[in-house]
Amino acid sequence: DAGVTQSPTHLIKTRGQQVTLRCSPKSGHDTVSWYQQALGQGPQFIFQYYEEEERQRGNFPDRFSGHQFPNYSSELNVNALLLGDSALYLCASSLRTGMANQPQHFGDGTRLSIL
Amino acid sequence: AQSVTQLDSQVPVFEEAPVELRCNYSSSVSVYLFWYVQYPNQGLQLLLKYLSGSTLVKGINGFEAEFNKSQTSFHLRKPSVHISDTAEYFCAVSGLSSNTGKLIFGQGTTLQVKP
Repeated sequence: DAGVTQSPTHLIKTRGQQVTLRCSPKSGHDTVSWYQQALGQGPQFIFQYYEEEERQRGNFPDRFSGHQFPNYSSELNVNALLLGDSALYLCASSLRTGMANQPQHFGDGTRLSIL
Repeated sequence: AQSVTQLDSQVPVFEEAPVELRCNYSSSVSVYLFWYVQYPNQGLQLLLKYLSGSTLVKGINGFEAEFNKSQTSFHLRKPSVHISDTAEYFCAVSGLSSNTGKLIFGQGTTLQVKP
């Protein structure tokens, strides 16, 4: 039973560029959430996708956008990269039913470094 | 709105000693509570969760936590730690009425187990 998989594992970009990160949820899960974890900090909620729509968004600018595909996989896009976007980006999947008490399963993340 | 405070940024302890990692939360609504562990270069793994019922919750790897509603705390304990428990530990909350299960994380506590 495959868990949450993310690609790529590491990525180096320069300021102003655009990046796309990818996530495949755990088998049987239909909901994907994205978190940003800066060095030495706890994860911060970016947004969540269910039924191919953004359901809730955290305090992140419009440069951060996403997409969910019919097979429940998801992409996180970040435009006009800033040095402060350097972080570990974590994808978490869960079942929509009974959302709040369903534990989220996390992938190993994508480490994004901005030069 | 919810917030989580982990009272210790680092906890050094000798192998086979007991340990307690402290977590306090603030919320205007009832919450679900979670503890996650993050090993180096990995994502987050669920240790245990409190949803309802008994306030003492047992999780994986010999960890347990106690929910104290009056003190708004959810401290994590282990009676005897191993070198392999060295990792970052995160306390998180989710609003009971949340329709997304958005997690609010604390800043994390680094558990350093010494031989």
